[in-house]
Amino acid sequence: GAVVSQHPSWVICKSGTSVKIECRSLDFQATTMFWYRQFPKQSLMLMATSNEGSKATYEQGVEKDKFLINHASLTLSTLTVTSAHPEDSSFYICSARDSGGLNEQFFGPGTRLTVL
Amino acid sequence: TQLLEQSPQFLSIQEGENLTVYCNSSSVFSSLQWYRQEPGEGPVLLVTVVTGGEVKKLKRLTFQFGDARKDSSLHITAAQPGDTGLYLCAGSPGDMRFGAGTRLTVKP
Repeated sequence: GAVVSQHPSWVICKSGTSVKIECRSLDFQATTMFWYRQFPKQSLMLMATSNEGSKATYEQGVEKDKFLINHASLTLSTLTVTSAHPEDSSFYICSARDSGGLNEQFFGPGTRLTVL
Repeated sequence: TQLLEQSPQFLSIQEGENLTVYCNSSSVFSSLQWYRQEPGEGPVLLVTVVTGGEVKKLKRLTFQFGDARKDSSLHITAAQPGDTGLYLCAGSPGDMRFGAGTRLTVKP
C-alpha cells in the first residue's frame, strides 16, 4: 500500500523555539495533504488542508502564523510550529490523499512534540 | 460540511466476543474508508468500500457499505486484544474531518 513518512518521529524543544515537521508521500503524488493534532485519548483534530502550490486552508481556531504550512511539491508538505510553547505539545499527524484511483487518504506515523 | 457520526464512541468487550461499529452520514459518498489507530501511531487504512451494498471481508473483519452509500458498518468476529484501538471512518469526497471515532478495548 501507499506509504507516508513523517520526520522527525519525536522532538523535544525549548519554549520559544521553532520546530519543523516533514510529511512525505513516498510512492504516490499528493496534491492535497492534511495536518492533524491529537491529544491523549482523543480523536484526530484537523488543523489545516495543504494544497500543492497554494496557500493552506486552516480550520477555525488554528493560528496560521503559528502553524506554518508549506506544500512546495507533490510529495512533500511541512508544518512549522513557530515559537513553540508547552501547550503546543501534542501528537501531530499528517496524511496525504492519493490523487489517482479512489482518492484514498494515507497517514504518516505521527510526530510527538514535547515543548519544555 | 458533511458530518460522519460513529457509534458507539466507546466499547469494551471480552476476548472472543463479536461487535459492530457504525458510521453514519446524511451525505452520499463515492467511497468510504475505515482506519484503525493504535496508541502512538498513525491511523492505518483497513479498507475502502466503493459500491452501494458492498461487503468486504478482511480476516475477522467484515465491512459493509450501505445501499445508498451514506453509511457503513464494521463487524468484528471473535475479537482479540490485538483489535484494540481507535476506529475511524472517512468518506470521499470529503473534508477529512474526523468525529470522535470508536475506541475499542478488547480484554484478554
